[in-house]
Amino acid sequence: KQEVTQIPAALSVPEGENLVLNCSFTDSAIYNLQWFRQDPGKGLTSLLLIQSSQREQTSGRLNASLDKSSGRSTLYIAASQPGDSATYLCAVHGSSNTGKLIFGQGTTLQVKP
Amino acid sequence: EAGVAQSPRYKIIEKRQSVAFWCNPISGHATLYWYQQILGQGPKLLIQFQNNGVVDDSQLPKDRFSAERLKGVDSTLKIQPAKLEDSAVYLCASSLTFGTGSSYEQYFGPGTRLTVT
Repeated sequence: KQEVTQIPAALSVPEGENLVLNCSFTDSAIYNLQWFRQDPGKGLTSLLLIQSSQREQTSGRLNASLDKSSGRSTLYIAASQPGDSATYLCAVHGSSNTGKLIFGQGTTLQVKP
Repeated sequence: EAGVAQSPRYKIIEKRQSVAFWCNPISGHATLYWYQQILGQGPKLLIQFQNNGVVDDSQLPKDRFSAERLKGVDSTLKIQPAKLEDSAVYLCASSLTFGTGSSYEQYFGPGTRLTVT
């Protein structure tokens, strides 16, 4: 059974810092991995999607990497800003081929001005 | 392009009452998902539709939860009777289709926050 874990559960950093969020999964047989952002009271916004054949994806100040063999992904945020404050969720699309996403519990990030 | 629409945004009910949530996916998206997100946890898939057929409902508590997508477009999720542990955010998502490839990327609605007292 696929399990997804995110560490840390919460993180507080001063503005301008570079930071890394971690995601690990137990079954390396995945089709892809997706990082989402969730603001309080809002739905999920997709940030980056990494196909299983890819090692990383970049969008602006965000870079996500994927190492299937070790069951790990990282989300790197450069030059953090207060507007980056949110909960970040990683999800894997497992081997069932139904599109089902299995989520971690999220990392809540606070960027202080 | 309009996103995934959900209503109501908030609902408070007493235990043993019934409640229904509505979702309208992005136009042209064949696949629709309902997720339950309990406070402090990641979303968990309840049910997945492809057009008006069920693809996966393995984690749907069928004794109290039901869902339908009769015309293959919008969908309703119902809870009857509600329990305290059903307090959560119910998220609807849609995708062009499902399977491998980028066309399955899921787009989420704002969710319905349910409080059962």
